Amino acid sequence: DAMVIQNPRYQVTQFGKPVTLSCSQTLNHNVMYWYQQKSSQAPKLLFHYYDKDFNNEADTPDNFQSRRPNTSFCFLDIRSPGLGDAAMYLCATSNRVGETQYFGPGTRLLVL
Amino acid sequence: GESVGLHLPTLSVQEGDNSIINCAYSNSASDYFIWYKQESGKGPQFIIDIRSNMDKRQGQRVTVLLNKTVKHLSLQIAATQPGDSAVYFCAENRNTGFQKLVFGTGTRLLVSP
Repeated sequence: DAMVIQNPRYQVTQFGKPVTLSCSQTLNHNVMYWYQQKSSQAPKLLFHYYDKDFNNEADTPDNFQSRRPNTSFCFLDIRSPGLGDAAMYLCATSNRVGETQYFGPGTRLLVL
Repeated sequence: GESVGLHLPTLSVQEGDNSIINCAYSNSASDYFIWYKQESGKGPQFIIDIRSNMDKRQGQRVTVLLNKTVKHLSLQIAATQPGDSAVYFCAENRNTGFQKLVFGTGTRLLVSP
């Protein structure tokens, strides 16, 4: 089945230690998104790639970066995680911006 | 931040009842709306969508109603089951030069046996 895969499902890191979360898709969608979701809140868009074009949200901290080496993979890099970055990180894809987004299962990040 | 508002944070129903989850949106330029279901520890799951040229759309046990006059969206779940217990988010595609999916604050649906 076509799907969005996120690894790992749970990630523990130390305060200030860089961490990378990964997302892959078999849907062959053009757009890949990264969201941050904190407990009992709606997902908050961090940025997205339309093909190779990177689109950052205005309020996304510089601490968050992303890479998309090819159509299938997209990475979220947190350069210096703080305690406030502990959250669920969701990857989503869509064929075009403005169309239905399909989400992966998420990676729950814990910062010690 | 930006958000689509929901009136009720928690909705409790009995198994077999019909559930109605409401959502208000503020942007008249929004042209596409989606309902997602999110179970604990999982990613949001697409349920049903509707475009702004429609008033109603039906799926399996779910119906979405769109009232553009009052900027209101609802999700109706027929014969609610315990497996329907989750947080439900509405999302609108704001088409204001750059398209962006904006999520509402979410409603928790609790279904009692």
